Amino acid sequence: AQTVTQSQPEMSVQEAETVTLSCTYDTSESDYYLFWYKQPPSRQMILVIRQEAYKQQNATENRFSVNFQKAAKSFSLKISDSQLGDAAMYFCAYHNNNDMRFGAGTRLTVKP
Amino acid sequence: KAGVTQTPRYLIKTRGQQVTLSCSPISGHRSVSWYQQTPGQGLQFLFEYFSETQRNKGNFPGRFSGRQFSNSRSEMNVSTLELGDSALYLCASSPRFVSNTEAFFGQGTRLTVV
Repeated sequence: AQTVTQSQPEMSVQEAETVTLSCTYDTSESDYYLFWYKQPPSRQMILVIRQEAYKQQNATENRFSVNFQKAAKSFSLKISDSQLGDAAMYFCAYHNNNDMRFGAGTRLTVKP
Repeated sequence: KAGVTQTPRYLIKTRGQQVTLSCSPISGHRSVSWYQQTPGQGLQFLFEYFSETQRNKGNFPGRFSGRQFSNSRSEMNVSTLELGDSALYLCASSPRFVSNTEAFFGQGTRLTVV
């Protein structure tokens, strides 16, 4: 079974600084999708960034970027210029045709 | 566009009862997927419905079931409730199969079983 591991239960970053959240996954599939979702205290989960496994180029969305290492099965999220509104639980997710798995989450605190 | 709407937001049920949760997807989305979120087990995939057919199912007992209507609205039912079913149940909709696109989540239904 595919597993998704987020090894950092909690992370803290100073406002305006950069932080990287780690995610590794296990799969025997070659075609899949990876996502980072953010769940603020209000609970509604929203998409931060997505990466298709067949794309070698790392995805970027404004201040958010990923470092996708397919061979190493690693998918880390970098948040640049951190803002107070970035404080949330961040979930790494793996989707493929038959399965969807989430990591346990990383709680990010942003210090003013 | 209106987002994904889940009702009710909160529920308290007694062990042994059954419960039905409702999810209205974003207009035009044909996929609705359901998830259980607990502090102990994290976020787990329950099942996905696409065009009224269950497409995928996670590793949950048969007490957890669902259905999807022709307007894409979906319901999830849990029968013979157990204390361990207390959780936040999230619904998400997607324009295509959720396996190859992002999920748009609702705010969830908090179920407490006493």
